[in-house]
Amino acid sequence: GAVVSQHPSRVICKSGTSVKIECRSLDFQATTMFWYRQFPKQSLMLMATSNEGSKATYEQGVEKDKFLINHASLTLSTLTVTSAHPEDSSFYICSARPQSTTSGANVLTFGAGSRLTVL
Amino acid sequence: QKEVEQDPGPLSVPEGAIVSLNCTYSNSAFQYFMWYRQYSRKGPELLMYTYSSGNKEDGRFTAQVDKSSKYISLFIRDSQPSDSATYLCAMSAQAGTALIFGKGTTLSVSS
Repeated sequence: GAVVSQHPSRVICKSGTSVKIECRSLDFQATTMFWYRQFPKQSLMLMATSNEGSKATYEQGVEKDKFLINHASLTLSTLTVTSAHPEDSSFYICSARPQSTTSGANVLTFGAGSRLTVL
Repeated sequence: QKEVEQDPGPLSVPEGAIVSLNCTYSNSAFQYFMWYRQYSRKGPELLMYTYSSGNKEDGRFTAQVDKSSKYISLFIRDSQPSDSATYLCAMSAQAGTALIFGKGTTLSVSS
């Protein structure tokens, strides 16, 4: 089945630094990837939709200059949290959709998540 | 009103019980419905996928969708301690678009 690898699984950084999270589709090509954020005991909230070769689409309230998304290839999307602050501490999860347009492709496969702690 | 409502629980049941998890939604355009299971500090993993209305069964799990009532359910038969996790309903209106998630229901199955 489709596998999405996310790295790092856990990162601790100082306030003001930038952190990059990678999301890779290991056995399929993903034209679209989605980045979610999950706070403790909360649901997954969509941050942005990443499309290969074009600019990401951000959800309302998500700062695109703070959360930089790059989807340079069909197997890799990156999320960079710039000038991180403690309030950015959260669980960031990416998901990928296979290139096929069959109905089964609507199922998103999720990475294991990256827990960011900003001190 | 949120697009997807899900009782966060927690829900505690003894081993072997039948568990019923539910979500309601407001957007009548939703037609793709999924249930994901999430263990602590892990990414969600797909349990069940249903398109439009109807029932779907997979082993001990049964998913039901009632679009007329905007209500979906997940039933777990013969629940096991390993079923202890957070269950998230998710849905979308169009194929390939982002999923809208419920808050998740935390289930604890005691042996």
